Amino acid sequence: GAGVSQSPSNKVTEKGKDVELRCDPISGHTALYWYRQSLGQGLEFLIYFQGNSAPDKSGLPSDRFSAERTGGSVSTLTIQRTQQEDSAVYLCASSAGRGRPRGETQYFGPGTRLLVL
Amino acid sequence: GESVGLHLPTLSVQEGDNSIINCAYSNSASDYFIWYKQESGKGPQFIIDIRSNMDKRQGQRVTVLLNKTVKHLSLQIAATQPGDSAVYFCAERVAAGNKLTFGGGTRVLVKP
Repeated sequence: GAGVSQSPSNKVTEKGKDVELRCDPISGHTALYWYRQSLGQGLEFLIYFQGNSAPDKSGLPSDRFSAERTGGSVSTLTIQRTQQEDSAVYLCASSAGRGRPRGETQYFGPGTRLLVL
Repeated sequence: GESVGLHLPTLSVQEGDNSIINCAYSNSASDYFIWYKQESGKGPQFIIDIRSNMDKRQGQRVTVLLNKTVKHLSLQIAATQPGDSAVYFCAERVAAGNKLTFGGGTRVLVKP
């Protein structure tokens, strides 16, 4: 597609439930990133995928958070047993990847606004 | 840990004037810097980036300046327009890394 897309755009869930957030990166981009943005704050890195390499999970805040990327394209961020402090905007970005012209420039999707009641 | 530091002021600018947004970073190992614009309810939009081997880069109405001596980054917007009203974030990437570390953002309000 023309840009990074994310779904759903908004998600309201009850504390303790699991949620799945989806990201479709820009076609051909090999690198995919997840960030979290709390209200009025900057972006916090969560996880990074580059091609077939092992993902960099160093930003995941707890073992309730996980992500996968199937077929080197679509990614799903899963939050298990959601807590109220998980409420935030979850942003996905993609970049062309290593060795590509301007391969490090990250382009963001519109985000998923998660509210945990 | 080391991080990009961007205080969160609100910058009020008269339409047509130039805007300057400043950012301080502390990680001397950072080799790539980028500015994003974020409008309410939207994801960050790429504005301009610069590698550490440069000290200035220009785009359309925007200029990024990098001073590695004092670890300072700035974004200049020429002839600020109402559509420039948004929150602006700077971010850095440590050499050989991939993730971006973001500052807290600056809100720019353009007065007509």
